[in-house]
Amino acid sequence: DSGVTQTPKHLITATGQRVTLRCSPRSGDLSVYWYQQSLDQGLQFLIHYYNGEERAKGNILERFSAQQFPDLHSELNLSSLELGDSALYFCASSVHEGGYTEAFFGQGTRLTVV
Amino acid sequence: AQTVTQSQPEMSVQEAETVTLSCTYDTSENNYYLFWYKQPPSRQMILVIRQEAYKQQNATENRFSVNFQKAAKSFSLKISDSQLGDTAMYFCASQGGSEKLVFGKGTKLTVNP
Repeated sequence: DSGVTQTPKHLITATGQRVTLRCSPRSGDLSVYWYQQSLDQGLQFLIHYYNGEERAKGNILERFSAQQFPDLHSELNLSSLELGDSALYFCASSVHEGGYTEAFFGQGTRLTVV
Repeated sequence: AQTVTQSQPEMSVQEAETVTLSCTYDTSENNYYLFWYKQPPSRQMILVIRQEAYKQQNATENRFSVNFQKAAKSFSLKISDSQLGDTAMYFCASQGGSEKLVFGKGTKLTVNP
């Protein structure tokens, strides 16, 4: 158990809908990262939050947004869903930014858009 | 920009034998870190081994070791005494100053009894 909790584990929804994925980082970790794993694109970085502030954005679509709350949990919001958004979405957390910090991954949320 | 390339989509090895997974990378960072992650069927991402680029000595973790060739930008993973539980997807990744991980496409390793 990495200590990072993601909910839900599985999600099936229809095209055009909106979903929210939740991530609770390890106790004491200030950084949260979101990654998308799909068959065609592999594992891709979406966004990084540190202590409530957005730090970096990767290949995140405009239909997607995220935030990190004062209690440090994070949510990834996906809207106007398309079939191609079907993927495994990982959250990872680490202690701090700067230098090497080991990222601990949650078990992921499997999103299926039908 | 960082890129990571894994040229072996699939590999197989007999139990108790040794296998080497290849990875090459490109980065403009001076300080960076390299990792191998394992993703078993449970889909959990598990850190196998890490290497700090400023260290010349190759990292070792029990049966797992790396061959880090900085000039060639190569970072291969050697698994000795392969076990059935080593069957998984293996991802090579790099991390620079931006802290995000950049992953390769992965190598599917099957350990045969």
